[in-house]
Amino acid sequence: KNEVEQSPQNLTAQEGEFITINCSYSVGISALHWLQQHPGGGIVSLFMLSSGKKKHGRLIATINIQEKHSSLHITASHPRDSAVYICAVGLITSTDKLIFGTGTRLQVFP
Amino acid sequence: EAQVTQNPRYLITVTGKKLTVTCSQNMNHEYMSWYRQDPGLGLRQIYYSMNVEVTDKGDVPEGYKVSRKEKRNFPLILESPSPNQTSLYFCASSADRGRYEQYFGPGTRLTVT
Repeated sequence: KNEVEQSPQNLTAQEGEFITINCSYSVGISALHWLQQHPGGGIVSLFMLSSGKKKHGRLIATINIQEKHSSLHITASHPRDSAVYICAVGLITSTDKLIFGTGTRLQVFP
Repeated sequence: EAQVTQNPRYLITVTGKKLTVTCSQNMNHEYMSWYRQDPGLGLRQIYYSMNVEVTDKGDVPEGYKVSRKEKRNFPLILESPSPNQTSLYFCASSADRGRYEQYFGPGTRLTVT
């Protein structure tokens, strides 16, 4: 079993829909990262969380440390949100290690 | 503009021909790392560096070397590339460790024939 699991693996939506991507982890963490990778490859950091909730524009990220679970929400989705969303955790037991989920591929259709 | 640059962006080479992928950051970050990304496997750490002259192995270091002689640069060296090193490579930097925002380079797509 992977230490970081994302669901769903693939997601399609119509423009305007509310989208939720989930990340569960089985290890102690210092922080959780949400990353976005557009077709063409570049990776951008969206959020870094150690507790609670963060919001940036139409994106909201939440984390529940007790349940070892995080969600990334996209409100009023748009075709430009089409990308792979990657969850990564920084291990609390290791000074310098990030473990990545395998990503959720999102396609938003007009 | 804060950025991580990698060169080359695309490279096709033959088995055994030594190559270097350069990585440079302009944010004065102490922590830099190299990852490879393969379909279905996600990002895996190759090597990382916590500061100048301090490097350590990640999860998949075999066949790779790194050096950190200056804070801004962290080149990835493949002494004798093999086809199983065909992959998409990313360099990343952050202020420190996994608790800080990660900045990724644009990626280098390497094909070894």
